[in-house]
Amino acid sequence: KAGVTQTPRYLIKTRGQQVTLSCSPISGHRSVSWYQQTPGQGLQFLFEYFSETQRNKGNFPGRFSGRQFSNSRSEMNVSTLELGDSALYLCASSRQETQYFGPGTRLLVL
Amino acid sequence: GENVEQHPSTLSVQEGDSAVIKCTYSDSASNYFPWYKQELGKGPQLIIDIRSNVGEKKDQRIAVTLNKTAKHFSLHITETQPEDSAVYFCAATPPRSQGNLIFGKGTKLSVKP
Repeated sequence: KAGVTQTPRYLIKTRGQQVTLSCSPISGHRSVSWYQQTPGQGLQFLFEYFSETQRNKGNFPGRFSGRQFSNSRSEMNVSTLELGDSALYLCASSRQETQYFGPGTRLLVL
Repeated sequence: GENVEQHPSTLSVQEGDSAVIKCTYSDSASNYFPWYKQELGKGPQLIIDIRSNVGEKKDQRIAVTLNKTAKHFSLHITETQPEDSAVYFCAATPPRSQGNLIFGKGTKLSVKP
């Protein structure tokens, strides 16, 4: 069974721009969670989607948003990028509570 | 909300020795505790997990123990090998918070041949 895939793997943007990241979950998994990983803050939960509905949200500003499609694929969007948004963005899919992570998208904001 | 503390932040062992990483959590209602291994340039990989109705779980060289009373859980790796070198994260799932894992800060394990 194919794992979680994320595209793109690397991205360079400048301050003020916006970015969209994509995540394809493991087949049959309906829940997709997003995390931000930085050296200083570690792994922090952004939000979780299940059947196209956001079920939980972490403590991030409204510039961070997401959505989920009917095929369970998910996207997250960050608007008005700031230098501090440079991070590894990870998505994880699950059928119940066990989460399986993708390789991440490394975003660099200049 | 839930808070997870992880110790030590770095751990260096000789090949063949055992390694132990400890985590504590704050919310006694948390009921699911996975451990992840993250290698450089990769996403976290689930290596073992335990639920609150179980005290210990083992998978070959890896074991996890859970003490609900003390609110702590530990990862034990026996007969360590150089390929065990990575960053290990513990996590907890708060109650009524699907899809939300609260992670510890990670332990960088180095296994010296």
